[in-house]
Amino acid sequence: EPEVTQTPSHQVTQMGQEVILRCVPISNHLYFYWYRQILGQKVEFLVSFYNNEISEKSEIFDDQFSVERPDGSNFTLKIRSTKLEDSAMYFCASSLTSGGAGDTQYFGPGTRLTVL
Amino acid sequence: AQSVTQLDSQVPVFEEAPVELRCNYSSSVSVYLFWYVQYPNQGLQLLLKYLSGSTLVKGINGFEAEFNKSQTSFHLRKPSVHISDTAEYFCAVVGDSSYKLIFGSGTRLLVRP
Repeated sequence: EPEVTQTPSHQVTQMGQEVILRCVPISNHLYFYWYRQILGQKVEFLVSFYNNEISEKSEIFDDQFSVERPDGSNFTLKIRSTKLEDSAMYFCASSLTSGGAGDTQYFGPGTRLTVL
Repeated sequence: AQSVTQLDSQVPVFEEAPVELRCNYSSSVSVYLFWYVQYPNQGLQLLLKYLSGSTLVKGINGFEAEFNKSQTSFHLRKPSVHISDTAEYFCAVVGDSSYKLIFGSGTRLLVRP
């Protein structure tokens, strides 16, 4: 069964450093998302991406964040200058072609980011 | 803005007992409702979803949920749980003007032998 994959599973970085989190969505999906979950808190939406553009973003997704689909398979989240409060589990998700609101979003296993 | 409330942070239950995990959402013109499960060290997996039609939705692993518009609830149920059902369960909603999922705070189901 196709699945969303994410690398690395755990990333440790120093405050102020740039990190890139990588995701490979399900191959025929066209809508891509990033969510994060700070320890003990809710899963929060960060951004959605379609047709090489951001279609929606949350207040959390400020200028320090960016997303990219550099080729036909990868979808990345970059944090330019990490802060302690960026420590969280980051989930990538993808959904099928129509991108309708009722489409199932398939989640990857997550990348745990630890900022020291 | 849409919101989801999961009233129980943890639900302990004995194996083979029934369980109900509660979820309430803020009212909207139309909503799509989801239950996801997260097993330890894994990602979120869809259990079931409600889009329209029958208010009783059946999902994987013997779970079902009932959409109740008047009570703005979407409670998850299973008649007989297994040890392997121990996991975190998240209720989520998508509003009709957005594709983003809005999650509740999660309920940890702890099944004891």
